[in-house]
Amino acid sequence: DAGITQSPRHKVTETGTPVTLRCHQTENHRYMYWYRQDPGHGLRLIHYSYGVKDTDKGEVSDGYSVSRSKTEDFLLTLESATSSQTSVYFCAISEIPTGGASYEQYFGPGTRLTVT
Amino acid sequence: GQQVMQIPQYQHVQEGEDFTTYCNSSTTLSNIQWYKQRPGGHPVFLIQLVKSGEVKKQKRLTFQFGEAKKNSSLHITATQTTDVGTYFCAAISGTYKYIFGTGTRLKVLA
Repeated sequence: DAGITQSPRHKVTETGTPVTLRCHQTENHRYMYWYRQDPGHGLRLIHYSYGVKDTDKGEVSDGYSVSRSKTEDFLLTLESATSSQTSVYFCAISEIPTGGASYEQYFGPGTRLTVT
Repeated sequence: GQQVMQIPQYQHVQEGEDFTTYCNSSTTLSNIQWYKQRPGGHPVFLIQLVKSGEVKKQKRLTFQFGEAKKNSSLHITATQTTDVGTYFCAAISGTYKYIFGTGTRLKVLA
């Protein structure tokens, strides 16, 4: 497996509290992603980053913000958690190899977040 | 925006039976990827298809990319209990943004 860790792995929090999830990689890959996974919805992109301090919104970005101050770390923040944000969150990384078309994503182990 | 539909949502098969999942896009795709997620695990990359009409095999798994590059399929021959999991297709949007299908959850009954 690629060197990707997520912390925490499990978290229970109350509605209205801020929450930050961390993704850390040791692969020096340029691209990093945050997804949420919910039954019946598959994997939905929240935010992604194409370089240090370069981020953009995905399809379900409302209520989430991200930061990337170093290549290896990508933080996802829920400013004020709501019950609809209860989900499993996956971080992923990818790279575009020189001369190649293959740029598969490598996923972290996931963070299970419950908002009560 | 670009959408990727995947069917069926669930499939239960007896061990030894075949299984197929289909992925359909509303737009022409540059390429498509397939991932497998075991229960309680994270998605793991299986393969990427790039060319129109491309067919690739990995042991009992056969992947196809449609001629019009708008659909793809994954076929598993003679399923085994180790094939249990959810299979996702993913379309590349732009250079580095991925749109995932909703997934097909496969259960194999021994």
